[in-house]
Amino acid sequence: DAGVTQSPTHLIKTRGQHVTLRCSPISGHKSVSWYQQVLGQGPQFIFQYYEKEERGRGNFPDRFSARQFPNYSSELNVNALLLGDSALYLCASSLRGAEGYTFGSGTRLTVV
Amino acid sequence: GQQLNQSPQSMFIQEGEDVSMNCTSSSIFNTWLWYKQDPGEGPVLLIALYKAGELTSNGRLTAQFGITRKDSFLNISASIPSDVGIYFCAGFLYGGSQGNLIFGKGTKLSVKP
Repeated sequence: DAGVTQSPTHLIKTRGQHVTLRCSPISGHKSVSWYQQVLGQGPQFIFQYYEKEERGRGNFPDRFSARQFPNYSSELNVNALLLGDSALYLCASSLRGAEGYTFGSGTRLTVV
Repeated sequence: GQQLNQSPQSMFIQEGEDVSMNCTSSSIFNTWLWYKQDPGEGPVLLIALYKAGELTSNGRLTAQFGITRKDSFLNISASIPSDVGIYFCAGFLYGGSQGNLIFGKGTKLSVKP
């Protein structure tokens, strides 16, 4: 059975550009969450979606947005990219709660 | 953003040694989780703790949920080379922002030169 898949694996963008990251959860998982992991730090919570509704939002600016589709896949969008947005973006899925999370391998975003 | 206090930041291990790391918080949690992250991969869940005072083992790994609900520790016995990586603690509070795991900064395990 496939795990959590994220695309692309690596991405280089220029400041001011927009980026869309994609996540496919484990089959049957209805909850998807996004985390940002800056080098040398632990992951920081960005969003959680459950049954296509936003259930939680971390302390990130409005430049960050996300959505979940009817097939439970999800997109994370970041507008007006800043150098500080360079990080590993992790997607995690679970049947419902955070304690059952399985993480994907992440998308490494570099903003230049 | 909020992060848990995890120590030590890094440590060197020799094969066969026991390893200990811990995590503290100013907030209480309902659940403590321990993850391991290898380079280029996402965190993988090692142990989940659901009750204050709980002691749980997974092979050579043992973790405890502190009585105050504000701390947890992880022990690795008889370390082997594949134990190298970054270990993260994470706390979860039911009723808080849904899906919000709060992570520590990690403990990096390396092999002694």
